[in-house]
Amino acid sequence: QSVLTQTPSASGTPGQRVTISCSGSSSNIGSNTVNWYQQLPGTAPKLLIYTNNQRPSGVPDRFSGSKSGTSASLAISGLRSEDEADYYCAAWDDSLNGHVVFGGGTKLTVL
Amino acid sequence: QVQLQVSGPGLVKPSETLSLTCTVSGFSISSGYYWGWIRQPPGKGLEWIGSLYHSGTTYYNPSLKSRVTISVDTSKNQFSLKLSSVTAADTALYYCARVRDSSAAFDIWGQGTMVTVSS
Repeated sequence: QSVLTQTPSASGTPGQRVTISCSGSSSNIGSNTVNWYQQLPGTAPKLLIYTNNQRPSGVPDRFSGSKSGTSASLAISGLRSEDEADYYCAAWDDSLNGHVVFGGGTKLTVL
Repeated sequence: QVQLQVSGPGLVKPSETLSLTCTVSGFSISSGYYWGWIRQPPGKGLEWIGSLYHSGTTYYNPSLKSRVTISVDTSKNQFSLKLSSVTAADTALYYCARVRDSSAAFDIWGQGTMVTVSS
């Protein structure tokens, strides 16, 4: 059972806009920033969004993040076949002397 | 270009200690940043194990804290993970990564190494 809650799966067709949600609590998302990772099959995770809505160099602006209260979202616009991957949200949690918590992951399928 | 490389045994016996090392190239650990370990059981999601600063300050996953030790060897530009009393539940792909900043974002990842706990 992950501390951050994500819907297990999502899907969309090429060109479509999809949103992946991440729900937490006051001790994590509610008081800290959210990061998102993309994990393509058989590869290490890649940082996609940090500090709620910032993109590392090289990440297309089709990917965007937002946060409101104890929830966060990752939006992917202009969906492409190469976006098919697992997506994870993560945040620092202030409880128990502080620790990093991850969501369970959302598998995105491009139909 | 910063690169991280995990090394260590791929097979560990139950009740023994899992030991992995992450070697950093292209950046001096003693210059700063936090560094961390994350694992992923087969077919499952990511689990943070712990992070440390070059000075030795550490943070551990509360659920693993009693069994985990993360340490740094700045002379070798490496940091290490030790997980004691392992069971089959510790079978996973183990990654090391750099923490970007206070956001706790892992911005550079090693390739990961599979560790199987089995007799």
